[in-house]
Amino acid sequence: SAVISQKPSRDICQRGTSLTIQCQVDSQVTMMFWYRQQPGQSLTLIATANQGSEATYESGFVIDKFPISRPNLTFSTLTVSNMSPEDSSIYLCSISGGGNEQFFGPGTRLTVL
Amino acid sequence: AQTVTQSQPEMSVQEAETVTLSCTYDTSESDYYLFWYKQPPSRQMILVIRQEAYKQQNATENRFSVNFQKAAKSFSLKISDSQLGDAAMYFCAYKGPQGGSEKLVFGKGTKLTVNP
Repeated sequence: SAVISQKPSRDICQRGTSLTIQCQVDSQVTMMFWYRQQPGQSLTLIATANQGSEATYESGFVIDKFPISRPNLTFSTLTVSNMSPEDSSIYLCSISGGGNEQFFGPGTRLTVL
Repeated sequence: AQTVTQSQPEMSVQEAETVTLSCTYDTSESDYYLFWYKQPPSRQMILVIRQEAYKQQNATENRFSVNFQKAAKSFSLKISDSQLGDAAMYFCAYKGPQGGSEKLVFGKGTKLTVNP
């Protein structure tokens, strides 16, 4: 199966700043996904990123707050903009598997002070 | 909207024993996919097992098996011969029909503790 990496693995940021999280896959994939996992909670899909088109955002998530890039079939970035402590979460990228499952990257743990 | 419910926030099991984690879901679809994911403290989400709704046979992966009851919309995970490395959060997840949304809907998770 594909190897998925994320950078950074963790970061501590000041409120009002922005952080860009990178997701790299070692093979070409059509669809990539970004999820948020708030402390002690489950995973919630932020958006779906297809190469060559704008990301599709889930209800409650907006492009101004979570801009996403998908410049090619192996890479995507998620930016968390104008951060507040409520943005402290684990952010995970994932890709579709051949059997309708998804495979996840190792996650980025973000703490906003 | 589809929902996934895990009614057991925490479970514990003795090493080498068997434990069953519960999951129920709500959908109006007849074709869908169900998954169990494991998240150890390292936070990596690991796929444990998958089940296609059109298959009547319960999926099995080594020590992990499911009890899929489509009419009851129930999808429990049985872990046999529990090992210390099985300690983790376990999430049940739902995906709709092929060709539809690729979104995974997750339950709130069950924290499994394995006692030596």
